[in-house]
Amino acid sequence: DSGVTQTPKHLITATGQRVTLRCSPRSGDLSVYWYQQSLDQGLQFLIQYYNGEERAKGNILERFSAQQFPDLHSELNLSSLELGDSALYFCASSVEQGVGTGELFFGEGSRLTVL
Amino acid sequence: GEDVEQSLFLSVREGDSSVINCTYTDSSSTYLYWYKQEPGAGLQLLTYIFSNMDMKQDQRLTVLLNKKDKHLSLRIADTQTGDSAIYFCAEGDLSGTYKYIFGTGTRLKVLA
Repeated sequence: DSGVTQTPKHLITATGQRVTLRCSPRSGDLSVYWYQQSLDQGLQFLIQYYNGEERAKGNILERFSAQQFPDLHSELNLSSLELGDSALYFCASSVEQGVGTGELFFGEGSRLTVL
Repeated sequence: GEDVEQSLFLSVREGDSSVINCTYTDSSSTYLYWYKQEPGAGLQLLTYIFSNMDMKQDQRLTVLLNKKDKHLSLRIADTQTGDSAIYFCAEGDLSGTYKYIFGTGTRLKVLA
């Protein structure tokens, strides 16, 4: 158990819909990262938050948005869903930036299926 | 741009050594990592190497880093069926952007 909790574990929805994925980082971790894992593209970095502020952006579509709340949990919002958005979405957390080896602790992922 | 490349598949026999290779592009990486993903699970850190090191050994695992060629490898000695998983190479910039870039993952299949 990594200490990172993601909900829901599975989600099936239709094209055009909007979903919210939630992540609770490990206790004390200030950084949250979101990744998308699809079969043909591996693990793609979407976005990172540190203590409530956006710190880095990767290949995140404009239809997607995220935020980190004061209690440090994070939500990834996916809207106007398309078939190609079907993937496993991972959240990871780490301790303060620049401290230690920078190990990321991953949740078990939220599997999104868009029909 | 930033890119981390790995071969997609590797198949070995139980008891043999496995070598998984990775190339990266970001020379500002502070650490390089190997993560393991078992079926239905998230990624877990397997081992890491600081960017100023050439080699790191940890029990059955040996990590080799060639900074000049930006090449990283993971050798698993005496590979077991329990080692079957997807292995991700990743680079992390802990002094600047704090971004972590992952490779596509190498699916290791260990044949009994």
